[in-house]
Amino acid sequence: SQQGEEDPQALSIQEGENATMNCSYKTSINNLQWYRQNSGRGLVHLILIRSNEREKHSGRLRVTLDTSKKSSSLLITASRAADTASYFCATVGKNTGNQFYFGTGTSLTVIP
Amino acid sequence: DVKVTQSSRYLVKRTGEKVFLECVQDMDHENMFWYRQDPGLGLRLIYFSYDVKMKEKGDIPEGYSVSREKKERFSLILESASTNQTSMYLCASTTQSYGYTFGSGTRLTVV
Repeated sequence: SQQGEEDPQALSIQEGENATMNCSYKTSINNLQWYRQNSGRGLVHLILIRSNEREKHSGRLRVTLDTSKKSSSLLITASRAADTASYFCATVGKNTGNQFYFGTGTSLTVIP
Repeated sequence: DVKVTQSSRYLVKRTGEKVFLECVQDMDHENMFWYRQDPGLGLRLIYFSYDVKMKEKGDIPEGYSVSREKKERFSLILESASTNQTSMYLCASTTQSYGYTFGSGTRLTVV
């Protein structure tokens, strides 16, 4: 399966701390994306990193990609209670057209 | 503000009923997708479409069909609903290999 796998499955931190989530995948990709999902809602696109990029920033988000290890990490700095959500990585494979493959997600809880 | 709209947030249907889940996007996207999301299983692709009247099976198409008569609308059909189709259904659209835009989801319960 090309499905990404997030690690850890659940993470609980204090407000103000940094949160790091990891994603591993199995095949060559065109790009990798991170999404956020609040409870019972749809997913919201956060950031996309292409296979020829190693790091990308967006506000308090920092994403790294290591294609040699087939892994990515999402760092949320100075977390807030409003960051409480599930976070998913999704990969777009080189040979799978526009199909996205999602992992099972990391559930982040930020304690005020 | 561009968006993907799913017609129902919550739906309760009886076993054996034919169920239609509607999805409309206003971004002129070519590609539309239907996923279901279940605890511990993540998002699984049911069907997708690259263009009007085109459809492709995803990973779990059994028990489902789709219709794409217009570019902006992608419908998921449960031919004969069963209790194992109780799930959260998410529609998404995208153009080429950029990020998806998701709808808010439809939580379907089959009793």
